[in-house]
Amino acid sequence: DAKTTQPPSMDCAEGRAANLPCNHSTISGNEYVYWYRQIHSQGPQYIIHGLKNNETNEMASLIITEDRKSSTLILPHATLRDTAVYYCIVITGANNLFFGTGTRLTVIP
Amino acid sequence: DVKVTQSSRYLVKRTGEKVFLECVQDMDHENMFWYRQDPGLGLRLIYFSYDVKMKEKGDIPEGYSVSREKKERFSLILESASTNQTSMYLCASSFGPWGDEQFFGPGTRLTVL
Repeated sequence: DAKTTQPPSMDCAEGRAANLPCNHSTISGNEYVYWYRQIHSQGPQYIIHGLKNNETNEMASLIITEDRKSSTLILPHATLRDTAVYYCIVITGANNLFFGTGTRLTVIP
Repeated sequence: DVKVTQSSRYLVKRTGEKVFLECVQDMDHENMFWYRQDPGLGLRLIYFSYDVKMKEKGDIPEGYSVSREKKERFSLILESASTNQTSMYLCASSFGPWGDEQFFGPGTRLTVL
């Protein structure tokens, strides 16, 4: 099972882009990269996912390296409400779900 | 808005008690999941279900059982609660094949004394 490595914490100034890295060097060809976040006292919230290509939605962009061994979640204009723990996970099947400890992002006014 | 609800936000039980945690989703999702979340350990999958009356063990099923008698409801059962089961319990559901976006409930913080 591919596991992920994320920095435990990061700070970002309000209005700037937040770039959250994730290493998944043992990822296999059919595993997707998913990002969720968890705001204090709430359940996790889906952000975005991808397999090979870069993806963008209304919340964020996901950049996956060509070798797929790492990815970066980009929040283009961080707000105070983006302060949360961000989880990068790789998935093939439900029994491979592993959320890890994530990155605690603090957006600073 | 899609909704996953859990029966309690906070629960306090005594060692040895039987505990039921209920989860209901209103999205007609096929798949439902139970996780526990502990500081420093992230989320860990306890059990999941991909259909009514079907269940599969996750990473840490010991000490737990589940029940899915109706599509919208997935129950987590602690047959005899122990102090090491004090944790935040999160329920989630998803529609399609594994890896689809999961929708989470608000969580139940269980304390076993």
